[in-house]
Amino acid sequence: SQTIHQWPATLVQPVGSPLSLECTVEGTSNPNLYWYRQAAGRGLQLLFYSVGIGQISSEVPQNLSASRPQDRQFILSSKKLLLSDSGFYLCAWSWAGGTEAFFGQGTRLTVV
Amino acid sequence: GENVEQHPSTLSVQEGDSAVIKCTYSDSASNYFPWYKQELGKRPQLIIDIRSNVGEKKDQRIAVTLNKTAKHFSLHITETQPEDSAVYFCAPLTSGTYKYIFGTGTRLKVLA
Repeated sequence: SQTIHQWPATLVQPVGSPLSLECTVEGTSNPNLYWYRQAAGRGLQLLFYSVGIGQISSEVPQNLSASRPQDRQFILSSKKLLLSDSGFYLCAWSWAGGTEAFFGQGTRLTVV
Repeated sequence: GENVEQHPSTLSVQEGDSAVIKCTYSDSASNYFPWYKQELGKRPQLIIDIRSNVGEKKDQRIAVTLNKTAKHFSLHITETQPEDSAVYFCAPLTSGTYKYIFGTGTRLKVLA
């Protein structure tokens, strides 16, 4: 069976500090991978998606970046966090054909 | 996909009543129509989906109906229960595209 791991579950970071959130998928190969951000009480904003190693499509450039160094690993990064980067970050994967999306447990990021 | 709106944004119903949430999309090539449920602080999870060759699908107390001509599909929940309280998202998708865009979300409150 397939599983998705996302960590950490919670994170408190000072403004201006770097960020690295990691997501890995097990039990499948060549998945589509996604990063979403959800502000409190708001919807799911698509940040990045990837259909293969090294292939990253950006929806919201801002000060965030994503990388896919391995087939089932997706990393969200920032060099300098802003207060507005606070939120609930969700990683997700879907089959290469694109149907149901499976979400990780999420990371609640608070920038102080 | 692309422009995806949900109505209403919030919905309160008495326990036992029915709830209907509508999702309107702009991409006429969309052919996969899922609904996700997100409980407070949790990850979104698929609850029901439908493909464009089917007009309606039912699974116990939940059902999804599709109107491709008008480009909208709806989630129907009958005999609502307190555990149905959550935020619901639609996410219409087109085969061959991988940009998984979620609707604006609907917060459902079931009052006991």
